[in-house]
Amino acid sequence: DAMVIQNPRYQVTQFGKPVTLSCSQTLNHNVMYWYQQKSSQAPKLLFHYYDKDFNNEADTPDNFQSRRPNTSFCFLDIRSPGLGDAAMYLCATSRGGGGSYEQYFGPGTRLTVT
Amino acid sequence: AQTVTQSQPEMSVQEAETVTLSCTYDTSESDYYLFWYKQPPSRQMILVIRQEAYKQQNATENRFSVNFQKAAKSFSLKISDSQLGDAAMYFCAYRSTTGTASKLTFGTGTRLQVTL
Repeated sequence: DAMVIQNPRYQVTQFGKPVTLSCSQTLNHNVMYWYQQKSSQAPKLLFHYYDKDFNNEADTPDNFQSRRPNTSFCFLDIRSPGLGDAAMYLCATSRGGGGSYEQYFGPGTRLTVT
Repeated sequence: AQTVTQSQPEMSVQEAETVTLSCTYDTSESDYYLFWYKQPPSRQMILVIRQEAYKQQNATENRFSVNFQKAAKSFSLKISDSQLGDAAMYFCAYRSTTGTASKLTFGTGTRLQVTL
């Protein structure tokens, strides 16, 4: 019973060629998150949506954009990928509001930039 | 800003033995949540255990338990009767009670190996 689905699992793109990663969820959660995780490092939050409200982290490069057309789907767009953007990209969801709500993670998309 | 520190990049434990993973954090808040997440190789991250800071009682989930020391800002994870399936990267994470999204601050992780 997949709850947070990410496609594709592996993505290869060329330096400077725009790429889109997708995430969908069956949990009907208010909040969706995108993380970047480089090898053997902690996930780094790029941004999150609370319903339709977009929240960017202060240090997220402008090269990264996101769209959430509806509750179930969220996309990560990398406008001009550089070699430093090669990483695992994790999507996660959670309920909104106060409380110790856990985040549910997808399996990730591993991005390679050539 | 809150920070989370995991000082053990790698740990190893024999099957059926007990291991403790360390986590410390820094915050000026009095109420918050703490989590341990597990990320197995090539598999998705899942929640292991959570602790509300206002609760004095340490959380337990089957073989997993925490030692929460609020004054010392310490939140260690104990895994009892370790199994091969416990081999993974373990991340300690902090969540503030302010804000309506469950934004997490992660530590750098501890890679746990389980040997026969």
